[in-house]
Amino acid sequence: GAVVSQHPSWVICKSGTSVKIECRSLDFQATTMFWYRQFPKQSLMLMATSNEGSKATYEQGVEKDKFLINHASLTLSTLTVTSAHPEDSSFYICSARGRREAGELFFGEGSRLTVL
Amino acid sequence: AQSVTQLGSHVSVSEGALVLLRCNYSSSVPPYLFWYVQYPNQGLQLLLKYTSAATLVKGINGFEAEFKKSETSFHLTKPSAHMSDAAEYFCAVSRGVGTSYDKVIFGPGTSLSVIP
Repeated sequence: GAVVSQHPSWVICKSGTSVKIECRSLDFQATTMFWYRQFPKQSLMLMATSNEGSKATYEQGVEKDKFLINHASLTLSTLTVTSAHPEDSSFYICSARGRREAGELFFGEGSRLTVL
Repeated sequence: AQSVTQLGSHVSVSEGALVLLRCNYSSSVPPYLFWYVQYPNQGLQLLLKYTSAATLVKGINGFEAEFKKSETSFHLTKPSAHMSDAAEYFCAVSRGVGTSYDKVIFGPGTSLSVIP
């Protein structure tokens, strides 16, 4: 199957700093990338949909100025958590879809963010 | 709008016993349906998907699921549980028509425990 790589896997930062998470499709062109947030023992909550070359579409309740998403190319999307606070600590997962896949998403390994 | 429900947040089976994880969906258009598995601190791996072809879908690791339109269900089964099947399982739905931009909605998840 298609491979999606997410980096970093773990990140610890101080409150008030910004953190960038990268999501790369390694062997296919990802026309769309999705960013999810997952709290412990809970399901994935869709944060935003990122289409290459256009602005991300955020889900209701997700602060676009807090979670900056850039889909600069067909193989790279980034999520930047700005001025992070402890409540932003979570597991962030990206997923990607190409043009030909029948709705299937390919997931990155996830990034565990801990804000002190 | 689409939604997914998974009956039973936690299921426990004995090793070698039948695994049955329930999923019901709601969709105003023909759906694509998916089952994903997640191991601790990892991303999601696709087990199988239904994309309007055969209603009985076989996936990896011996899992299969049957799409029943009349019951709006897509239950996941495996004849004989293995210890390595212990994980979190998510049922997901997306529109069966549209573009690669269509988002995938996840159910709340079912945690499967396998007892030796």
